[in-house]
Amino acid sequence: GAVVSQHPSWVICKSGTSVKIECRSLDFQATTMFWYRQFPKQSLMLMATSNEGSKATYEQGVEKDKFLINHASLTLSTLTVTSAHPEDSSFYICSASSQGNTGELFFGEGSRLTVL
Amino acid sequence: AQTVTQSQPEMSVQEAETVTLSCTYDTSESNYYLFWYKQPPSRQMILVIRQEAYKQQNATENRFSVNFQKAAKSFSLKISDSQLGDTAMYFCAFHGTASKLTFGTGTRLQVTL
Repeated sequence: GAVVSQHPSWVICKSGTSVKIECRSLDFQATTMFWYRQFPKQSLMLMATSNEGSKATYEQGVEKDKFLINHASLTLSTLTVTSAHPEDSSFYICSASSQGNTGELFFGEGSRLTVL
Repeated sequence: AQTVTQSQPEMSVQEAETVTLSCTYDTSESNYYLFWYKQPPSRQMILVIRQEAYKQQNATENRFSVNFQKAAKSFSLKISDSQLGDTAMYFCAFHGTASKLTFGTGTRLQVTL
């Protein structure tokens, strides 16, 4: 299957700093990428959908100025958590779909963010 | 909006036995996809099985099979000959015209000796 790589796998930062998480599709072109947030023992909550070359579409309740998403190429999307606070600590997962929209998503390994 | 419901927060099964995980969903769409994903302790999401709504035949993947009841909006996962490596969180997911996955709350499956 297609491979999606996410980096870093874990990061610790101080409150007030910004953190960037990268999501790359390694062997296919990802027309659409999705960013999810997962709290411990809970399900994945969709944060936003990004299409290459256009602005991301955020889900209701997700602060677009807080979670900056960029999808500059067909193989890379980034999520930047700006001015991070302890409540932003979570597990962030990206996924990507290729052209054809068969519904299947390919997931990255996830990134655990801890804000001190 | 679509909703996906998994009514079993936790399940346990003995090795080599069979277990069925439940999933129901609500939608007004007629064409969609349903998925079961597995999330082991590593947190990596792994596709287990996929079903296209227009197909009446239930999907199977080795030890994994589904019971897809479109009229009842039910999509259960059966795991046969359970193995220790099947221990994980299992998420049912819906993909419709909005082109995004909606996940259920998950079922934690523990396979015991």
